[in-house]
Amino acid sequence: SQQGEEDPQALSIQEGENATMNCSYKTSINNLQWYRQNSGRGLVHLILIRSNEREKHSGRLRVTLDTSKKSSSLLITASRAADTASYFCATDNDMRFGAGTRLTVKP
Amino acid sequence: KAGVTQTPRYLIKTRGQQVTLSCSPISGHRSVSWYQQTPGQGLQFLFEYFSETQRNKGNFPGRFSGRQFSNSRSEMNVSTLELGDSALYLCASSLQQRSYNSPLHFGNGTRLTVT
Repeated sequence: SQQGEEDPQALSIQEGENATMNCSYKTSINNLQWYRQNSGRGLVHLILIRSNEREKHSGRLRVTLDTSKKSSSLLITASRAADTASYFCATDNDMRFGAGTRLTVKP
Repeated sequence: KAGVTQTPRYLIKTRGQQVTLSCSPISGHRSVSWYQQTPGQGLQFLFEYFSETQRNKGNFPGRFSGRQFSNSRSEMNVSTLELGDSALYLCASSLQQRSYNSPLHFGNGTRLTVT
């Protein structure tokens, strides 16, 4: 079974709102990565956070990591219709992916 | 720098046939991983190659095999195709094995349909 498990499975918000999705994993890690997938395309790497980092920003993305709880969250601020996609997390010691969170941003 | 290239983009095969998919990684990347994505099973790891050797393998039957060449290009082969093999097959490359601090770069996949 894979390390990273995302929740919720699906999230629907209005444009301009913030979207938060979570990832839980099972064993210790060196880093955790978030990816986005637009329908029918390959995954695109968004951000990598190392185990000694608690928070990382990239544009409208904010990722947090809590190694004590073995969990991470991805926050997308001021969402846009173009953010509609599936989002996945994966850990370095097991590059398997969960089912992802399907985000729909309504214009 | 060119991205990961997968060929062909679409493929239609008949049950029982075999198929070979190709992946050209980003220049300088030595690790290539393959994934199968279906609506029912999600994104599943097939195997990873690094320096022409299979380093990790997912839980797939022996009908699924792969190889990596000295230029890091990789091929994946599926023999005796079954209807359930219909999927989007994604290839990803990275600088290092198992993406230690190195993200995966994905191609846009090969859409395989088995009839």
